[in-house]
Amino acid sequence: NAGVTQTPKFQVLKTGQSMTLQCAQDMNHNSMYWYRQDPGMGLRLIYYSASEGTTDKGEVPNGYNVSRLNKREFSLRLESAAPSQTSVYFCASTSFGQGLNTEAFFGQGTRLTVV
Amino acid sequence: AQSVAQPEDQVNVAEGNPLTVKCTYSVSGNPYLFWYVQYPNRGLQFLLKYITGDNLVKGSYGFEAEFNKSQTSFHLKKPSALVSDSALYFCAVRDLGANAGKSTFGDGTTLTVKP
Repeated sequence: NAGVTQTPKFQVLKTGQSMTLQCAQDMNHNSMYWYRQDPGMGLRLIYYSASEGTTDKGEVPNGYNVSRLNKREFSLRLESAAPSQTSVYFCASTSFGQGLNTEAFFGQGTRLTVV
Repeated sequence: AQSVAQPEDQVNVAEGNPLTVKCTYSVSGNPYLFWYVQYPNRGLQFLLKYITGDNLVKGSYGFEAEFNKSQTSFHLKKPSALVSDSALYFCAVRDLGANAGKSTFGDGTTLTVKP
């Protein structure tokens, strides 16, 4: 039971570099999410995809782009990394549409440092 | 807009004593409430949820939570704490308004259980 898989687990970038965080779920969930976690600030939603083919901005979308490649995969791209994007990034999925009240399943996280 | 408050950054209890982690919420409609736990260097794991029905909800690892509509609270409780319960706990809320399908998370409460 893989659940939600994120890659990579760790990454160090230089300011201005780009990278893509990958996320895949094998639970046939409709909805997928990208959050960032910063100390004392809980989880903040960056982007989400309610269903395949749709994406929407969350609370803190600036500096990020996303792609819902298919029902399984939802990637997060940093076009020009900045030190303020140093954070732990979590991907999550839910079966929204198949049951609004279902819980979210989270990946293990990607620890990103921008120097 | 929906919001969640966890008024305590840190809760310390002795092993064997009861524990309470507090959560209050604000939503425009009926709330769907969740508790998640995060162990070091891991993603969030679902503990329990309130949708409708009995105000006392039982979840994983002996945890329970009480929904109080008049006080807009959803406090997490356990009758007898274990050292292994030490972790970061998040309360989350979801409603059926414009943010349907997205959860808003609190800032988290660090629970430390001392032997």
